[in-house]
Amino acid sequence: DQQVKQNSPSLSVQEGRISILNCDYTNSMFDYFLWYKKYPAEGPTFLISISSIKDKNEDGRFTVFLNKSAKHLSLHIVPSQPGDSAVYFCAASIMEYGNKLVFGAGTILRVKS
Amino acid sequence: DSGVTQTPKHLITATGQRVTLRCSPRSGDLSVYWYQQSLDQGLQFLIQYYNGEERAKGNILERFSAQQFPDLHSELNLSSLELGDSALYFCASSVGTSGEELFFGEGSRLTVL
Repeated sequence: DQQVKQNSPSLSVQEGRISILNCDYTNSMFDYFLWYKKYPAEGPTFLISISSIKDKNEDGRFTVFLNKSAKHLSLHIVPSQPGDSAVYFCAASIMEYGNKLVFGAGTILRVKS
Repeated sequence: DSGVTQTPKHLITATGQRVTLRCSPRSGDLSVYWYQQSLDQGLQFLIQYYNGEERAKGNILERFSAQQFPDLHSELNLSSLELGDSALYFCASSVGTSGEELFFGEGSRLTVL
């Protein structure tokens, strides 16, 4: 039972262009969403989060959009840089139940220079 | 450097054996989480401890157990190992228990032969 799905295993983008990573979820009780980035041989690092009371959160080049009715969120990276090449994980939780994050399988982003 | 330390980084053992993975959380963090990442899959939540007490449980097998000690470090014990237990095991920590980012260690790669 995959409650958080990242349907694109990989994405390739030209440097300077926009990268859009997508994530769908099935559990309508999720109310807190996060994106993590992971480089090889390292642990995941927190990138950006959004609460279900918002539909957009921005931090520099990174913006997360949340569409609750569609149970869909996306991460936009503008402009994309070669250093952004990594695996991106979408995660969700129910705040009342604590920080028990449910992760998607990840999307490999390659930014070509 | 997330501040979360995991040992050992790599471990190779045989089926039927028992291993212990160790995690030291970031200074000041009271919550410790254990996640398992099998090949090409997302991170699966195993268990969470908060200030020494079990807080939440995920899909943790009965052959696996964990604890958090008074100095807040945590250990994950895996026994009667099977080939399918081969995975990356991540430890993460946070200050509290809800609505915050988790800081991950670099992981312990377990190979069961």
